[in-house]
Amino acid sequence: RKEVEQDPGPFNVPEGATVAFNCTYSNSASQSFFWYRQDCRKEPKLLMSVYSSGNEDGRFTAQLNRASQYISLLIRDSKLSDSATYLCVVNHSGGYSTLTFGKGTMLLVSP
Amino acid sequence: GAVVSQHPSRVICKSGTSVKIECRSLDFQATTMFWYRQFPKQSLMLMATSNEGSKATYEQGVEKDKFLINHASLTLSTLTVTSAHPEDSSFYICSARDPSGSWGYNEQFFGPGTRLTVL
Repeated sequence: RKEVEQDPGPFNVPEGATVAFNCTYSNSASQSFFWYRQDCRKEPKLLMSVYSSGNEDGRFTAQLNRASQYISLLIRDSKLSDSATYLCVVNHSGGYSTLTFGKGTMLLVSP
Repeated sequence: GAVVSQHPSRVICKSGTSVKIECRSLDFQATTMFWYRQFPKQSLMLMATSNEGSKATYEQGVEKDKFLINHASLTLSTLTVTSAHPEDSSFYICSARDPSGSWGYNEQFFGPGTRLTVL
């Protein structure tokens, strides 16, 4: 089983749609969780951290279920500029705080 | 946020040559830097963790003699791909940890990446 698994995608949605990304992780000792966004041929950029209580940043809502080892990202009212690959990232415990990346789910928002 | 630069952004070289990639933290001191590799349509894979003044820690399956990492200062880490071959063609990305950042100990900032093509 892969450490971090995401929906394979791509997701093709029209502008204004709501889209949900799912992610599961295998290491129950994982401590921190993030969603990154990666544009084509660019480096990943932090979109938002994911907290146990759930958190929202504008059109973006992230949720974490530790019992199910499941993370989600919801994008409401999607924009053309939201087109990118969304990476689920998990931080394991340990001195070096290494990040483990999911394969990513590509989102294509069309007019 | 903090800025991390990488140089060069793109390299095309012949098989058998060595390529050096630099990763710099521009406005903070990075005691730890990470090197990742990303093949097309694949996830970022951690290659090694580099600590200033000490030997890098390599992930399983990454050849330390082929991917030489030097972290001689708090703002610079280099990755040298020795005797590069076509299968080494990939997107190499570094990140640097800023312990003083808002995430605290875990905050990492990524460089823009280096695209290596070995002919």
